[in-house]
Amino acid sequence: DVKVTQSSRYLVKRTGEKVFLECVQDMDHENMFWYRQDPGLGLRLIYFSYDVKMKEKGDIPEGYSVSREKKERFSLILESASTNQTSMYLCASIRSGSSYNEQFFGPGTRLTVL
Amino acid sequence: AQTVTQSQPEMSVQEAETVTLSCTYDTSESNYYLFWYKQPPSRQMILVIRQEAYKQQNATENRFSVNFQKAAKSFSLKISDSQLGDTAMYFCAFRRYGGATNKLIFGTGTLLAVQP
Repeated sequence: DVKVTQSSRYLVKRTGEKVFLECVQDMDHENMFWYRQDPGLGLRLIYFSYDVKMKEKGDIPEGYSVSREKKERFSLILESASTNQTSMYLCASIRSGSSYNEQFFGPGTRLTVL
Repeated sequence: AQTVTQSQPEMSVQEAETVTLSCTYDTSESNYYLFWYKQPPSRQMILVIRQEAYKQQNATENRFSVNFQKAAKSFSLKISDSQLGDTAMYFCAFRRYGGATNKLIFGTGTLLAVQP
């Protein structure tokens, strides 16, 4: 079974802190994604990576950066956390090659910025 | 740009009954894929069912089936014999055919509550 894990289920940080959210997948997937989930807005794509060290901005990249130094790990970085970044963050991965492939999700990290 | 619309923020159904969740989308492409994902309370999002746009036949997975109307750009999910474990947030999603990134475009979700 594909497994996508995220470093924390719940996280509380203070405004201005640097925050790292880690995601690891164990099935050698090429593509990885970070989404933000907010009530009434669904899932919005922050960043995605289609290979090691390769990244592209999604729909809402402002205030975020990412890092992918190894194929299995994709990190989301909030350089200076703000209260409007309080949200649920979901990581996902998918094998490239077919648009029919299933995207697998992690359990999510609920981040609160005070 | 593609968009996905789920017009029912919340729905409720009695156990053992049938419920239909609506989804419409907008695209100018002829080949694409559509998905329904389920997010149970405090649990991981999982794939429920998927449909290839060039296939006329509606997809079915056990109690879950879709009504895909390509001309109307509609992709509804029917859950038969609803069970308490079907209580979840359901997301409709669109993916373009081809490309290297496999990006999904999600709707805003429908929160389904199955009542005993």
